[in-house]
Amino acid sequence: GEDVEQSLFLSVREGDSSVINCTYTDSSSTYLYWYKQEPGAGLQLLTYIFSNMDMKQDQRLTVLLNKKDKHLSLRIADTQTGDSAIYFCAESIPSDGNKLVFGAGTILRVKS
Amino acid sequence: GAGVSQTPSNKVTEKGKYVELRCDPISGHTALYWYRQSLGQGPEFLIYFQGTGAADDSGLPNDRFFAVRPEGSVSTLKIQRTERGDSAVYLCASSLGGNGEQYFGPGTRLTVT
Repeated sequence: GEDVEQSLFLSVREGDSSVINCTYTDSSSTYLYWYKQEPGAGLQLLTYIFSNMDMKQDQRLTVLLNKKDKHLSLRIADTQTGDSAIYFCAESIPSDGNKLVFGAGTILRVKS
Repeated sequence: GAGVSQTPSNKVTEKGKYVELRCDPISGHTALYWYRQSLGQGPEFLIYFQGTGAADDSGLPNDRFFAVRPEGSVSTLKIQRTERGDSAVYLCASSLGGNGEQYFGPGTRLTVT
């Protein structure tokens, strides 16, 4: 079945890089997504990667995909206090109408 | 509007009552999704519409839950005989087509007392 797992918590100092990891199980996934959720707010789409890519860079964000190990990571360069939030990894299942299957989220705390 | 909107933002109801939650997708988006997010969890899929029809309702937990999208735009999620376990944030998302990125609304926080 489909399952997405993430580490629960990450704490970094302002200015350092953050790396949030995710593993997924469905090998038919076409897109893998990273969403950000701030307290009391909805989900903000940060970036996504197509499953035939290894890497995608978008300003301070770098997504790495290891399809063999079904491992996805999000690196945030020069982490700021405004990056403090919950980060969700999600896979889309094309055989299931592209519904998203989410992990439980990683709480990122940035210390100034 | 520019994004997905949901009303109400908060709903408190008594156990056993009926509630309706509304979602206004981004204009022109044909696909609409409902998810439910419990405290400390990621969102879980409930139902997906392509146009007016429910293409996949496999995530609805039981027959107390129902959703409609009669004109292919606004959708309403309906919950009958609410239970305390239904308390959660209900999220709506829309995408341009069935394969596009999903953009989420701010959610409706439902509390059943």
